[in-house]
Amino acid sequence: ETGVTQTPRHLVMGMTNKKSLKCEQHLGHNAMYWYKQSAKKPLELMFVYSLEERVENNSVPSRFSPECPNSSHLFLHLHTLQPEDSALYLCASSQALNTGELFFGEGSRLTVL
Amino acid sequence: GIQVEQSPPDLILQEGANSTLRCNFSDSVNNLQWFHQNPWGQLINLFYIPSGTKQNGRLSATTVATERYSLLYISSSQTTDSGVYFCAVAGGSYIPTFGRGTSLIVHP
Repeated sequence: ETGVTQTPRHLVMGMTNKKSLKCEQHLGHNAMYWYKQSAKKPLELMFVYSLEERVENNSVPSRFSPECPNSSHLFLHLHTLQPEDSALYLCASSQALNTGELFFGEGSRLTVL
Repeated sequence: GIQVEQSPPDLILQEGANSTLRCNFSDSVNNLQWFHQNPWGQLINLFYIPSGTKQNGRLSATTVATERYSLLYISSSQTTDSGVYFCAVAGGSYIPTFGRGTSLIVHP
């Protein structure tokens, strides 16, 4: 069983659709992160949760809505996205904020038509 | 926030060659990690190294925190080493910041 699991691995959606990305970690960590990686760009931090509380919202448009129901699960709800939102979305976890290593899932590759 | 610069941006090697990748950062850090992103996009942990030197097989890393840089050494490179290598650091703000990466291509 891998440490951090993301589903789906690939997603194609229209601009009017609503979909969700899911992340689950089996490492007993308390902090979880969403990163966005667009082509030819560095990883951009989107959201950080610590003990299910959001501690960072990095000026992300409201069409991206995170949810952290418990310390093992993190969702990214998507609605009315734009084609420029097409990217690789990476989830990560760490033992706590500013403590220990980041561990990443395999990513969800999103294409918005 | 902390600025992270990686060099070189691109690197092309023949199989068997050695290489050194560099990560410079602008402030003191508590965490520093090196990752390898494979062609499928997954980020693989290589080293967690806020200071000192570590080795794992053909790879080793050194962080000199007082001089604000870290080096990743790849010896006897193989085609499977191809991909993008990222350095990520975190300081007082605890948010990990990534460099732009070094894209490595190893030819057989």
